Amino acid sequence: AQRVTQPEKLLSVFKGAPVELKCNYSYSGSPELFWYVQYSRQRLQLLLRHISRESIKGFTADLNKGETSFHLKKPFAQEEDSAMYYCALKAGGTSYGKLTFGQGTILTVHP
Amino acid sequence: DAGITQSPRHKVTETGTPVTLRCHQTENHRYMYWYRQDPGHGLRLIHYSYGVKDTDKGEVSDGYSVSRSKTEDFLLTLESATSSQTSVYFCAISESISRTGELFFGEGSRLTVL
Repeated sequence: AQRVTQPEKLLSVFKGAPVELKCNYSYSGSPELFWYVQYSRQRLQLLLRHISRESIKGFTADLNKGETSFHLKKPFAQEEDSAMYYCALKAGGTSYGKLTFGQGTILTVHP
Repeated sequence: DAGITQSPRHKVTETGTPVTLRCHQTENHRYMYWYRQDPGHGLRLIHYSYGVKDTDKGEVSDGYSVSRSKTEDFLLTLESATSSQTSVYFCAISESISRTGELFFGEGSRLTVL
């Protein structure tokens, strides 16, 4: 069975500071990892996926298979980044697209 | 936003009563999911569907049942609600499992069981 752990329930930073949201996973196969974000009064939405190796809204995340981590980083946080962030894992094989989510991290960026 | 609507959006009920939450999509997506969101637990999968009349259990399926009689509707039923089922319930859809990991979520249904 797979598991996703986000060790920080709350994270506060000041505008312009770097931010890193931690995500660790356990899975015996080759996983696909994602970050989802839920802004205030908006729907949960996909932020980025590791296979795309993309930068969205200045955020990046690198899959580290050795450390089984997929931390989300941004060099200069903005107030509009304040939101709930979820790390999620999709198992390989016939998983029917099911995602296993972490506990979530609430990021607050202060002015 | 993807065409997903959940109803009701808010419901307060009493222990022991049946409750049905509805998820309706206009995207003609094959895969549909019900998750519950709880502090400290994140989102946990309750049930999912991979086609009409094809459903299966997720990690927290006890006390819940689902039905999907047509592509656009996925119903979640609590046969006899308990206080532990107080939660926010999210429906999600996915076009294809090859479009990896991209789920589109509804706005959520907040259920309070007294």
